[in-house]
Amino acid sequence: TQLLEQSPQFLSIQEGENLTVYCNSSSVFSSLQWYRQEPGEGPVLLVTVVTGGEVKKLKRLTFQFGDARKDSSLHITAAQTGDTGLYLCAGAHGQNFVFGPGTRLSVLP
Amino acid sequence: SQTIHQWPATLVQPVGSPLSLECTVEGTSNPNLYWYRQAAGRGLQLLFYSVGIGQISSEVPQNLSASRPQDRQFILSSKKLLLSDSGFYLCAWSVGIRISYNSPLHFGNGTRLTVT
Repeated sequence: TQLLEQSPQFLSIQEGENLTVYCNSSSVFSSLQWYRQEPGEGPVLLVTVVTGGEVKKLKRLTFQFGDARKDSSLHITAAQTGDTGLYLCAGAHGQNFVFGPGTRLSVLP
Repeated sequence: SQTIHQWPATLVQPVGSPLSLECTVEGTSNPNLYWYRQAAGRGLQLLFYSVGIGQISSEVPQNLSASRPQDRQFILSSKKLLLSDSGFYLCAWSVGIRISYNSPLHFGNGTRLTVT
């Protein structure tokens, strides 16, 4: 059983479309992070959300932390081929981070 | 600026052979260090973490071990590899003793290990 679930597992869209991916848990996290990973590389931090209900924007990416701090969403506006990658959410849990299984996004030209 | 180096990038080893993966961090002192394994569809599994020299915590029982002989050096080892040890191994570091929102993980580029 994974502490963090992510959906969808795979997503393939055309360039210019909008999309939302989700990260859900039955546990409360003090903070939650989103990472993007490209093939053959390590994950790179995109954002950290801390406060319930918090919304953060990073150019075309909008991150939201649920009011109860159990879930989060990532919305991408007008997706570009450079957005292709594996999107991972991670929650602070004790002394470490717990990672979700990721959403693999493919943006087609 | 801080950098993390992990090598080798790829490795093919026969079953029963030993393993040594090395990770070093530059530009920071007393980092927390981590070894993760990534399997398809299951995200990142924490294997070991260390908050200081000689201090290793293991998250899952397995065929692997870790050591931290120097402040910014973290080594993942095995005496005899199993087929199930194949995977993508990632080293990471973070600042501070306790996990907090302002101490994200910084990852190396990983080692793709194939045990044949």
